Amino acid sequence: KAGVTQTPRYLIKTRGQQVTLSCSPISGHRSVSWYQQTPGQGLQFLFEYFSETQRNKGNFPGRFSGRQFSNSRSEMNVSTLELGDSALYLCASSSSEGVFSGNTIYFGEGSWLTVV
Amino acid sequence: AQSVTQLDSHVSVSEGTPVLLRCNYSSSYSPSLFWYVQHPNKGLQLLLKYTSAATLVKGINGFEAEFKKSETSFHLTKPSAHMSDAAEYFCALRTPGRRALTFGSGTRLQVQP
Repeated sequence: KAGVTQTPRYLIKTRGQQVTLSCSPISGHRSVSWYQQTPGQGLQFLFEYFSETQRNKGNFPGRFSGRQFSNSRSEMNVSTLELGDSALYLCASSSSEGVFSGNTIYFGEGSWLTVV
Repeated sequence: AQSVTQLDSHVSVSEGTPVLLRCNYSSSYSPSLFWYVQHPNKGLQLLLKYTSAATLVKGINGFEAEFKKSETSFHLTKPSAHMSDAAEYFCALRTPGRRALTFGSGTRLQVQP
């Protein structure tokens, strides 16, 4: 069974540009969440999607957005990139909604974004 | 509010000796607790989780953790370290109704030959 797949793995963007990252969850998983990992702030929750609806959002500016498609694949978008957006963006999937706190969340290998 | 504190940012052990990575948590509700490992340039891999069943939880690769409510701790242990255990370890919690995982700041485990 394939794991969580994220594309692209590495990318470099210029300040002011926008970027779209893609995530394919484990087959059968309907919940997709996104996390940002930086050396300074650690791992921080961005948002969760379930059945194409955003269920929860972390404390990030509106430049960060996402969506989920009917096949559960998800994309996140960051507009007007800033240097501080350089980070590892991790996608995670789970078989059911995040309200069930004991559910296991499986992570992908992440997309490394560098903003120059 | 909920939080996770990993008491050591860096732990160094010799191969074949025991590993102890410490995690304390704060939560108003009964939490589910997780340990993840991250190898360089990789994502997070689940080692084990506690979800209010047995307080001693066994995970992959010989790791285990014990949930101690009175001490609000969930320390990760392994009897004998292997070189391949060198990585960053994250403790995380989630409470009922809260969708996001709250992570600790991580502990980098170094294994000396």
